Amino acid sequence: DAGITQSPRHKVTETGTPVTLRCHQTENHRYMYWYRQDPGHGLRLIHYSYGVKDTDKGEVSDGYSVSRSKTEDFLLTLESATSSQTSVYFCATLGGAYEQYFGPGTRLTVT
Amino acid sequence: QQPVQSPQAVILREGEDAVINCSSSKALYSVHWYRQKHGEAPVFLMILLKGGEQKGHEKISASFNEKKQQSSLYLTASQLSYSGTYFCGTENSGNTPLVFGKGTRLSVIA
Repeated sequence: DAGITQSPRHKVTETGTPVTLRCHQTENHRYMYWYRQDPGHGLRLIHYSYGVKDTDKGEVSDGYSVSRSKTEDFLLTLESATSSQTSVYFCATLGGAYEQYFGPGTRLTVT
Repeated sequence: QQPVQSPQAVILREGEDAVINCSSSKALYSVHWYRQKHGEAPVFLMILLKGGEQKGHEKISASFNEKKQQSSLYLTASQLSYSGTYFCGTENSGNTPLVFGKGTRLSVIA
């Protein structure tokens, strides 16, 4: 357990509204990741960060942005939510032995 | 490039063995294995680096065949607690993000 929390844990929002998901870690890990998980697709990387204010795109980054102003917080923003972004979102950090620790997930429903 | 896992699903009785494969079309630098129980977050099992090493975790072990660009996860004498979805994540070079396969759903029944 790497002390990762995600908020909110569940959210229902309407199409077109902006949504921000928060990931908070207490282990001072440098690397942080946002994934989405959908049936039949496994875990797909949205964005990742390799330090404060250092971020890069993953394979499914369209429609998402991220920010990292402090080591412990990594925010994921859906600029204008669409139904295709209904998913379970996981945050993860990278430990010292290259293992990833995952947060509990956020279930987002866009209606 | 997303690795391909096989089988997609498998059902075992307690005490039986299973093998889950993870293949890539590109050269692999490392392979990572995770297990996710229903409704929970994925949990790290092990990492294998190129060089053909084999690792173990309880009765779960894995091998990495660099030439074949694949890794296999071996579950021996399966227990009910082994049920879940197993994911492999692959790196084609160091310092690149993992790409996960679609997962293999393992169900162990009494």
